[in-house]
Amino acid sequence: AIQMTQSPSSLSASVGDRVTITCRASQGIRNDLGWYQLKPGKAPNLLIYTASSLQSGVPSRFSGSGSGTDFTLTISSLQPEDFATYYCLQDYNYPRTFGQGTKVEIK
Amino acid sequence: EGQLVESGGGLVQPGGSLRLSCAASGFTFGSYWMMWFRQAPGKGLEWVANIKEDGSDKHYVDSVMGRFTISRDNAKNSLFLQMNSLRAEDTAVYYCARDSGATYSYDRRTYDYDALDIWGQGTMVTVSS
Repeated sequence: AIQMTQSPSSLSASVGDRVTITCRASQGIRNDLGWYQLKPGKAPNLLIYTASSLQSGVPSRFSGSGSGTDFTLTISSLQPEDFATYYCLQDYNYPRTFGQGTKVEIK
Repeated sequence: EGQLVESGGGLVQPGGSLRLSCAASGFTFGSYWMMWFRQAPGKGLEWVANIKEDGSDKHYVDSVMGRFTISRDNAKNSLFLQMNSLRAEDTAVYYCARDSGATYSYDRRTYDYDALDIWGQGTMVTVSS
């Protein structure tokens, strides 16, 4: 199974900060990567697919980049509603595998 | 927009069985791959299984292979997960999700991608004696 190593596992940031989360795949996965946001008690939310395509309805402060093994999710200006846990998910092959998650907390 | 609602979770003893359901509305259910995911208490997300639009292709994570069965009834807009021989480590919130993925071009070739754009709120499964 492809291992997805996500970092950091948690971070503290203030409203307005630029936040960067990274995901590294144990082998090349082309652009077969999505980013998801999870809040307690709510359904997960798709942010980015194919590494850099912004899902419809997702604010433009979210962006994704990378290809092959190294990927990044960036929040350009953190908003109060962005405090959540973020996961990368590879869909290159089976089994689909997630990163360990990054919890973004209020500083 | 579309909506998914899971049901069927609950408390079950180790070795027992449970059948989860996922009711879809607001979209043409039979046109999409569907998936099950789970999140154990205090843990991250885990992909469990997926199924093709017509049910002809299915995939599972190794830890549930032979114990769980994913199925669907397109006439009833419903997705199912039959879970047998349940273990304590199957305790989790189970989510169903719609895959709106299509194809994209990479290095002059075309590949499929996933885009899990609609998720349910989840149903809790607790395996304990």
